[in-house]
Order: sequence, then C-alpha cells, then structure tokens
Amino acid sequence: SQQGEEDPQALSIQEGENATMNCSYKTSINNLQWYRQNSGRGLVHLILIRSNEREKHSGRLRVTLDTSKKSSSLLITASRAADTASYFCATAPRGANSKLTFGKGITLSVRP
Amino acid sequence: EAGVVQSPRYKIIEKKQPVAFWCNPISGHNTLYWYRQNLGQGPELLIRYENEEAVDDSQLPKDRFSAERLKGVDSTLKIQPAELGDSAVYLCASSSHQGLGNTIYFGEGSWLTVV
Repeated sequence: SQQGEEDPQALSIQEGENATMNCSYKTSINNLQWYRQNSGRGLVHLILIRSNEREKHSGRLRVTLDTSKKSSSLLITASRAADTASYFCATAPRGANSKLTFGKGITLSVRP
Repeated sequence: EAGVVQSPRYKIIEKKQPVAFWCNPISGHNTLYWYRQNLGQGPELLIRYENEEAVDDSQLPKDRFSAERLKGVDSTLKIQPAELGDSAVYLCASSSHQGLGNTIYFGEGSWLTVV
C-alpha cells in the first residue's frame, strides 16, 4: 500500500521557473523524505524533514511540512532541464515496525 | 565510495522460468532492502534485512519469491517460476541501520521483463 499521494501527477514548466510538488499522507509520521528518479535509474535521496520541523532547505530545494494538514511540499527554484525526473515522497510512519512507504511519484518536465 | 551495486541490469525471460538478482550494498550498511517498482508507480518494499536476518518480509510473495543475505553482506532475490505480472524493476537499497532518520541509498535496479 502507498500512503503518500503526490500532486500533481505530472508537471511541465519552462527552465528558470519554480516547480512546486505536493504530497499528502494519512497517518502520523516520524519523518517525510523526497527522492528523485531519473529515467531508467535508481532513486536518489534529496531531503528529509522530521515531524517536528516545518521547513528545510538544501540548495535550490525547499521542503515544508504541515503535520496538521498531513501534507508536504517540495519547491525547486530556478529549475533546469537537468531537473527533469520523477519525484517521490516517502513517509516513515510512527511505530517500532514502521517502514518507509513511497507515493506514486510526480513526473516533472523542464523545457529548455 | 561505491554505491549499491545490482546485477543484472536487464533480464528478459519466458514465463515459468526462474530468475535471480544480486545486490552488493554499500560497505558497512547493516540494513538491506529489496523493493519492486511497477511502471508508473513508486517502489514497494518486498523484504528488509538487518544484517543476515529478514525482519520484514510481509510483502514478499513467498510462494514464488525467495531471498537470502548470507553473511549479512550481499543478497540475492529469486523468483521461481516467474509470471507475466512479475515484470517490474527490482531495486536493492541499503542504509547504515534501520533508524528511519537515515537515508536509504538505492541501486540502479534490475529491469525484469517476463514474456
């Protein structure tokens, strides 16, 4: 089962524009992570935000977390053609036996 | 430092045939995962190892899938016999320990096509 649901399913923007991707989840979490997957490749970890954090930055990436709304957003500023990829949010639910659960992903296309 | 290494990268087999995938995790990583990713979907966990012990195999279809991690390092995932619905990417990943605050590092995946 996949807890995180990303929105939109696909996003196409012009190089230089910002890209905003959203993720909603259902149960209480320990942390939420975003991963990127280039076509035909494995997943690459981008950023992790803990349940007691509200915002985190890493280079051109900005992640927010609203636990009251059970949602997160990933913002990529000044997008580049190389940012074209699928982006997944993954949630780590609370609990001793919890496991990281991935959403279906968002396909981002950045037009040069 | 070498990343997670998987082989083969691509495999095409006929249904009912067996297939095996191999994974070498990042050196020193105690936790090893096998995920399956269907087209257009996110990865779904099949099995997780802590050293050589399978601590979560609840999603592994045990009638045809098996996995092992001898000596707590390399791992193999086997499907016998393969079915058409098994066509997917099989991703191996590792982390330094199961603490969910740790980053999971993925291999490039083994792409299976069952015809």
